[in-house]
Amino acid sequence: QALLVQSGAELKKPGTSVKVSCQASGYTFSSFPLHWVRQAPGQGLAWMGLIDPSSGDTTYAQSFRGRITVTRDKSTSTVYMELDSLRSEDTAFYYCARDPSNHATWFDPWGQGTLVTVSS
Amino acid sequence: DIQMTQSPSSLSASVGDRVTITCRASESVNTFLNWYRQKPGKAPQLLIFAATSLQRGVPSRFTGSGLGTHFTLTISGLQPEDFATYYCQQGSRTPYTFGQGTKVEI
Repeated sequence: QALLVQSGAELKKPGTSVKVSCQASGYTFSSFPLHWVRQAPGQGLAWMGLIDPSSGDTTYAQSFRGRITVTRDKSTSTVYMELDSLRSEDTAFYYCARDPSNHATWFDPWGQGTLVTVSS
Repeated sequence: DIQMTQSPSSLSASVGDRVTITCRASESVNTFLNWYRQKPGKAPQLLIFAATSLQRGVPSRFTGSGLGTHFTLTISGLQPEDFATYYCQQGSRTPYTFGQGTKVEI
């Protein structure tokens, strides 16, 4: 059974960076894209980007382009999302999610979420 | 970007009720439309993919329908665990966008 486990909560100062990890298990890591979705407290869901773990190819949402970097480590079946130049509006839960479809894109399962708080 | 609009934004219901949530896309997404349930403090859970397909392990009281720009999620016989927020999501093209959510309350 596929499982995604994320790193713990982070408290960051404005202008700094955060790197969140997502370790996959229970399936062949390289077979499915992994996505990042964020949710500000009490708000909706916003797609941030994806990585193809096989090739390392990435696609990012325009609103995060230039600040986001998604990488993977095939040896540990782990994907990383780094967000730079943090501001208070980046305070949110960050989720990784697997896309098990074949070019249709849905998300299952999801990681448990990582709360990133940006505050001086 | 494809805009996804859900209605209503919230609704009140009782255990056993039949509930319908609507999702409209700003342009056709064919059947690339998915539904999620998010319980408070938890990650979203996939309910329906490709507009009408029930995810394995999800109860049959959840049904999805629609094509193109107009989709619905119906819950037949609301259970206590269904009091949550529901999101639609288009998987047609990037950026993959979500509706704003529908909160189902007692």
